Amino acid sequence: EDKVVQSPLSLVVHEGDTVTLNCSYEVTNFRSLLWYKQEKKAPTFLFMLTSSGIEKKSGRLSSILDKKELFSILNITATQTGDSAVYLCALGPWNTDKLIFGTGTRLQVFP
Amino acid sequence: DTAVSQTPKYLVTQMGNDKSIKCEQNLGHDTMYWYKQDSKKFLKIMFSYNNKELIINETVPNRFSPKSPDKAHLNLHINSLELGDSAVYFCASSQARGVYEQYFGPGTRLTVT
Repeated sequence: EDKVVQSPLSLVVHEGDTVTLNCSYEVTNFRSLLWYKQEKKAPTFLFMLTSSGIEKKSGRLSSILDKKELFSILNITATQTGDSAVYLCALGPWNTDKLIFGTGTRLQVFP
Repeated sequence: DTAVSQTPKYLVTQMGNDKSIKCEQNLGHDTMYWYKQDSKKFLKIMFSYNNKELIINETVPNRFSPKSPDKAHLNLHINSLELGDSAVYFCASSQARGVYEQYFGPGTRLTVT
């Protein structure tokens, strides 16, 4: 069965720290890997990755996909309290329209 | 000008009751989804409709019945509610099938007592 595993499950850091969130998967064939941020309510879209080795960046956030080693990372530099959220990784397999979500990493950033 | 909206935001009801959750999107998207998020924050697809046609129907009890009167609306009706149905239900939409950038609604927190 297709599987998406995120680590760590939770992370507590101080403002200004840099964090790396991991997403590994056991999906044989997929179109895209996505990252979402979920604060109190709805998940909001961060990145979509389709090609291996190409970094996507948005401000202090960046993400990269490694299709050979079957993982993706989400980096957040100079963390702020507003980065506190659950970060979700999801995969879109080729043979279906659905997204398979990981269990998420809960990030807490303290001042 | 909310993109994906759901009503109600909170729903508290007793076991055995029947309830509905409504979802509307004003993005002009073709595809809509229902997800269930449990207490451990695990988000799982339940149903998807593309232009009013059911395209994903995961292993969900048949007490759950989605309905899409038009492509901007996707409702979820639940019969004979059980304690295990307590969760947050999210509606989402995407531009088309196979387009994975999905926009989520604010969620409906369902509590069955």
